[in-house]
Amino acid sequence: GIQVEQSPPDLILQEGANSTLRCNFSDSVNNLQWFHQNPWGQLINLFYIPSGTKQNGRLSATTVATERYSLLYISSSQTTDSGVYFCAGQETSGSRLTFGEGTQLTVNP
Amino acid sequence: KAGVTQTPRYLIKTRGQQVTLSCSPISGHRSVSWYQQTPGQGLQFLFEYFSETQRNKGNFPGRFSGRQFSNSRSEMNVSTLELGDSALYLCASSLPQGARSPLHFGNGTRLTVT
Repeated sequence: GIQVEQSPPDLILQEGANSTLRCNFSDSVNNLQWFHQNPWGQLINLFYIPSGTKQNGRLSATTVATERYSLLYISSSQTTDSGVYFCAGQETSGSRLTFGEGTQLTVNP
Repeated sequence: KAGVTQTPRYLIKTRGQQVTLSCSPISGHRSVSWYQQTPGQGLQFLFEYFSETQRNKGNFPGRFSGRQFSNSRSEMNVSTLELGDSALYLCASSLPQGARSPLHFGNGTRLTVT
C-alpha cells in the first residue's frame, strides 16, 4: 500500500516565527494535498500540489515528485495557524486519500 | 458557492443502535467520499461514490454502508453501533475521478457511542 510520513509530529512556535513541515511519500502516491484541521475539526484544503511550488499568502508548498517529498512553509506564523497539518496522497487510480499522521502545530502569542 | 454540508454536527447513540449521516457535496461535484477520524487510527478512508455507484471501499466491516442519490447527495449508515465507532466522520467531495481536483471536506459529524 501507499505510505505517507510527516515530520515533525509536534511543533511549538512563537508568533511571528517561520516553520517548515515535511511529507515523504511512496512511489505509488500522486496528487499530493495539504490540509489544515482547526481545533473544531474542520479540515481545510490548503494546496493541491502534485509537483512544483504554489503560494497562498503566508503559506507556500513545494512538491518534488521525483524525490517523493513535499514541504509546507508557514511564514510569520499567527495563533490562528494552530492546529494539525496533514498531507495526503492519492493512488494512481481512484480518489482515495491516504493521510499522514499529521503535524500538531501550536503558535503561542 | 456553498461548501460541503454534513448533518447532523453532533450525535449521541447507544451501543446496538444504528445511525445515518448525511452529506451534500459542493454544487457540480459528483464524487463523494467518507472518512473516519479517531485519535488512535487517524484519518481512514471508508468509501467513495460516483454516479450513485460505490467505486472504492476501505477496510471497514459490513456494518458500515453508504449510498449516493441522483443529486450527488450521500448518506452513510452504521448499524449495530459499537463503542469503537465513536469518531469524527468526514465527508469530502471532488470533481469526477480523473479530473485531478482537490478534495474539499465538510465540517464533519461527531458521533459518540455510549
